[in-house]
Amino acid sequence: GAGVSQSPSNKVTEKGKDVELRCDPISGHTALYWYRQRLGQGLEFLIYFQGNSAPDKSGLPSDRFSAERTGESVSTLTIQRTQQEDSAVYLCASSRYPDTQYFGPGTRLTVL
Amino acid sequence: QKEVEQNSGPLSVPEGAIASLNCTYSDRGSQSFFWYRQYSGKSPELIMFIYSNGDKEDGRFTAQLNKASQYVSLLIRDSQPSDSATYLCAVSRGMSGAQKLVFGQGTRLTINP
Repeated sequence: GAGVSQSPSNKVTEKGKDVELRCDPISGHTALYWYRQRLGQGLEFLIYFQGNSAPDKSGLPSDRFSAERTGESVSTLTIQRTQQEDSAVYLCASSRYPDTQYFGPGTRLTVL
Repeated sequence: QKEVEQNSGPLSVPEGAIASLNCTYSDRGSQSFFWYRQYSGKSPELIMFIYSNGDKEDGRFTAQLNKASQYVSLLIRDSQPSDSATYLCAVSRGMSGAQKLVFGQGTRLTINP
């Protein structure tokens, strides 16, 4: 079946602009996760959804970051007033609770 | 101290040999342990998960867990050049990965033909 999909695959933006990143989880997966991976680094947890509620948003780095999810479907991660340190690959994963997490291809964000 | 620590490598192993990858974690409440493989420029893919102390085998891969020592390892037997990748250790407090994963920095493995 189809895996986790993310769009866009690449996003180049100017410092100070807002960006929206989209994630479509595997059908039937109730849990959805956002992670960030800076160049040469491991993955940092950002936020987790169970259905459309977010029990754990402890990893969001600042109030410029927000995320929402519609039901058990698509999620959007929004970064306002982007900074150069926001440049990274943003990865989305989904799981059928309780089960292991499967990752999408990621969105590479470059802030100039 | 980082929550999950791995030797960043690179670890170089000859083709056909056993590659041994190690990971330690600091949170004694951790319940679930995962190994992901990540090829350059690609997203992580799940290799194995383990919940109980001891060994778990799947084909050429064996995961080992020692909760008392807070240590988890991955052995790759009969290493192939296609095993060359970065291996990420991940840990979760939830059972079956239903909560956030905390990742190590990853170990870069190179299999030499």
